[in-house]
Amino acid sequence: AQSVSQHNHHVILSEAASLELGCNYSYGGTVNLFWYVQYPGQHLQLLLKYFSGDPLVKGIKGFEAEFIKSKFSFNLRKPSVQWSDTAEYFCAVNAGSQGNLIFGKGTKLSVKP
Amino acid sequence: SQTIHQWPATLVQPVGSPLSLECTVEGTSNPNLYWYRQAAGRGLQLLFYSVGIGQISSEVPQNLSASRPQDRQFILSSKKLLLSDSGFYLCAWSVWSSGNTIYFGEGSWLTVV
Repeated sequence: AQSVSQHNHHVILSEAASLELGCNYSYGGTVNLFWYVQYPGQHLQLLLKYFSGDPLVKGIKGFEAEFIKSKFSFNLRKPSVQWSDTAEYFCAVNAGSQGNLIFGKGTKLSVKP
Repeated sequence: SQTIHQWPATLVQPVGSPLSLECTVEGTSNPNLYWYRQAAGRGLQLLFYSVGIGQISSEVPQNLSASRPQDRQFILSSKKLLLSDSGFYLCAWSVWSSGNTIYFGEGSWLTVV
């Protein structure tokens, strides 16, 4: 069965620090990969997604993620975080275009001003 | 453009009372519809999904049920709520043509007292 692991439960950074949130999945076939973000008091929003092509995906608000197939990873990065990036981030995977989305347990990011 | 509406936004219900959360999607036809529950520290749990009217798949056994009386309407119900049903419930939709990218509603906070 598919599973998604986000190894960091809570990450605390100062503004301008660089961010990398880990995401690993277990599924040997073709996958679609997603990162969602949930700002405090708001609903889940799509941050970026990867279906095929360039493994480095650019998302909104300066975020990017890199799909490394050999490592079954889809880590989220941002060179310089802002206080407004404080949120919970969820990695998600589905098997091809018709599988259900499986979510990781989320990583809370707290950015100190 | 597509929109998703979910209500009520917050709900406080006594143990043993019934539940009905409603969700409607606009701007698309024959969407896949989902109910997720988000509990603190446990990520997102898929409860039900539906690929068409009257077609409901349950992911976890529990005292909740779902129905899809119309193409773009999805209802989450319970006959008798338990304390453990408290949580944040999210309705979501997707279409196969977009790689099954899931878009979420604003969620409903349910507190069972």
